[in-house]
Amino acid sequence: EAGVAQSPRYKIIEKRQSVAFWCNPISGHATLYWYQQILGQGPKLLIQFQNNGVVDDSQLPKDRFSAERLKGVDSTLKIQPAKLEDSAVYLCASSPGTGFGEQFFGPGTRLTVL
Amino acid sequence: QKEVEQDPGPLSVPEGAIVSLNCTYSNSAFQYFMWYRQYSRKGPELLMYTYSSGNKEDGRFTAQVDKSSKYISLFIRDSQPSDSATYLCAMENSGYALNFGKGTSLLVTP
Repeated sequence: EAGVAQSPRYKIIEKRQSVAFWCNPISGHATLYWYQQILGQGPKLLIQFQNNGVVDDSQLPKDRFSAERLKGVDSTLKIQPAKLEDSAVYLCASSPGTGFGEQFFGPGTRLTVL
Repeated sequence: QKEVEQDPGPLSVPEGAIVSLNCTYSNSAFQYFMWYRQYSRKGPELLMYTYSSGNKEDGRFTAQVDKSSKYISLFIRDSQPSDSATYLCAMENSGYALNFGKGTSLLVTP
C-alpha cells in the first residue's frame, strides 16, 4: 500500500511570495489533515477535511492560508503572501474513517521563507 | 497553558537502558492517547495508542495512562541505537485531530 505522498519536499521563497503544497493521501482514506511543524515543536493542526468538507480550520490563518480538497482525494495548501514565521515543515496526514483512527503521515514539505 | 506539555530533552542513554518518556495534559475530555516516533526529516509514525486509562504493552514498548493525574508515559526496555528519534505524545480532540506535545529527542548510544 502506497503511503501519503507530498510535493515538493523542499521549497525556499522570499517573504511576500506565494507557495503551494500538494498532498495525495492513501487511497480510500476519508479524512485528510494538514499540520504545521515549526522546528523544535510538535505538529499543529491547520485544517481537517472529511471527504471534501472542512471539519476544523480554526487554527488556519485565513488571511494568508487557504486549502482545498478536490473530489475528496488530493489536497493543496497555499500560502499567500508568505511571512518569515511560516518557515516550517508542512505535514499531510490521512486516516481511513471519520472517527478515531491511525493517522498516516507523509514526509512533509520543508518551507524556508527568507 | 498548552493543552499538552512534554519535556523536549534531549535525553541521552546507553544502549540497553530503560527509557521513560512523559507528558502531562490539561483537557480532561481527551480519551485517546498516542505515542508517535519521528526520525529526522520524516513524518511521524504511530508507535502505540491507548484508550482511556491503563497500560498497554507491545514488545519493548509500554504505554501508561493515568487520567486522574492527567499524565501519560512511554517506557522503552532494552533501548537500541535504532530507537534514537524524537518521540511525540499526542491526544485526540473532539474532531479526532491530534494535539501534540513538543516531542522529546532521544539518543541511544552504543
